[in-house]
Amino acid sequence: DVKVTQSSRYLVKRTGEKVFLECVQDMDHENMFWYRQDPGLGLRLIYFSYDVKMKEKGDIPEGYSVSREKKERFSLILESASTNQTSMYLCASSPGVGLNEKLFFGSGTQLSVL
Amino acid sequence: GQQLNQSPQSMFIQEGEDVSMNCTSSSIFNTWLWYKQEPGEGPVLLIALYKAGELTSNGRLTAQFGITRKDSFLNISASIPSDVGIYFCAGPLIKAAGNKLTFGGGTRVLVKP
Repeated sequence: DVKVTQSSRYLVKRTGEKVFLECVQDMDHENMFWYRQDPGLGLRLIYFSYDVKMKEKGDIPEGYSVSREKKERFSLILESASTNQTSMYLCASSPGVGLNEKLFFGSGTQLSVL
Repeated sequence: GQQLNQSPQSMFIQEGEDVSMNCTSSSIFNTWLWYKQEPGEGPVLLIALYKAGELTSNGRLTAQFGITRKDSFLNISASIPSDVGIYFCAGPLIKAAGNKLTFGGGTRVLVKP
């Protein structure tokens, strides 16, 4: 089974802190994604990556950056956390190029920014 | 704004009931996907639909790709308590780079007390 592991289940940070969310997948997938989930808004794409060192903006990239130094690892960075970034963050991966319907998700990181 | 609109936003189920939910868009989709998220977990793909009019089942779940290609429906027959969770529709917007997925707001399924 594909496993997508997010390093923290819950995080509490203060406004202005730099925050790192880590994600690792073990199936040699090309594509990795970061989403945030908010009630009633579904999942919104922040950033995605099709290859090592490659990144593309999703629908809501403002206030975030990403890093993909190794194929299996995709990090989401909040440069200066703000209260409106309190949310559930979901990492996902998918194999190959093209349609990305076979997304495999991690269990999520619930981030609270105080 | 939200590209995919799911209805209802939430619903209560009683064991044994059949339930339905739908997803609509103002844009045409060539693929419709249904995911389920159980409490404390990430979403898991349930059903993928690739052709207008297609009807596909996965156990007690049946999904349909609308003829207009602007909507999709998911039915759960003879619901059981483990059907609780959030159901998301999703699809790749044709104009979006890399066919990245757009998700609906979700339908939260709860058990009647």
